[in-house]
Amino acid sequence: DQQVKQNSPSLSVQEGRISILNCDYTNSMFDYFLWYKKYPAEGPTFLISISSIKDKNEDGRFTVFLNKSAKHLSLHIVPSQPGDSAVYFCAAEGSGTYKYIFGTGTRLKVLA
Amino acid sequence: NAGVTQTPKFQVLKTGQSMTLQCAQDMNHNSMYWYRQDPGMGLRLIYYSASEGTTDKGEVPNGYNVSRLNKREFSLRLESAAPSQTSVYFCASSDLVASDYRVVKTQYFGPGTRLLVL
Repeated sequence: DQQVKQNSPSLSVQEGRISILNCDYTNSMFDYFLWYKKYPAEGPTFLISISSIKDKNEDGRFTVFLNKSAKHLSLHIVPSQPGDSAVYFCAAEGSGTYKYIFGTGTRLKVLA
Repeated sequence: NAGVTQTPKFQVLKTGQSMTLQCAQDMNHNSMYWYRQDPGMGLRLIYYSASEGTTDKGEVPNGYNVSRLNKREFSLRLESAAPSQTSVYFCASSDLVASDYRVVKTQYFGPGTRLLVL
């Protein structure tokens, strides 16, 4: 039972355009969400997070949106750059458990 | 400051062999984790250690044991390797940060160990 789902395995975007990566979750107890970025042969690195008391969080070119009623979050990258090409994982944590449930990842390819 | 280091980077085992994956962090973090990553499955938590001296099972603990040797080191042992344990293994450590009126943990990952069990 996949509690955190990333339904798009891959996404291609032209350089300079917006990249939108989506993530859905089923457990209403999740109240903290994170996005990680992973390059080949490296470990994931933390990108941006959002807690359930907010519906938006920005950090430079990266914005995460949270729609609690739809149990959906998305990561927007504007403008997209070739260096953003990587696998992006969303993760969720519930009620201070400090255990994260990861999605299956979306491979983003930014075309120059 | 190396962050999280893992050894070995790559290992081939025969079914039934045992091995220990090593992980160390130099960030003075209390919590450490072991994950496995399989195609189409994301990262799944095997075991974690909230603090030195404690360990707890994650989503997929069967076939594994862990040891939190000290605050820096957290090892993962496969007693009798099986082909189903072919995977990429990531170690992570975390610290507490304040975020939006609550405390959260931001995880820092090692580079991974690629394990092939024949």
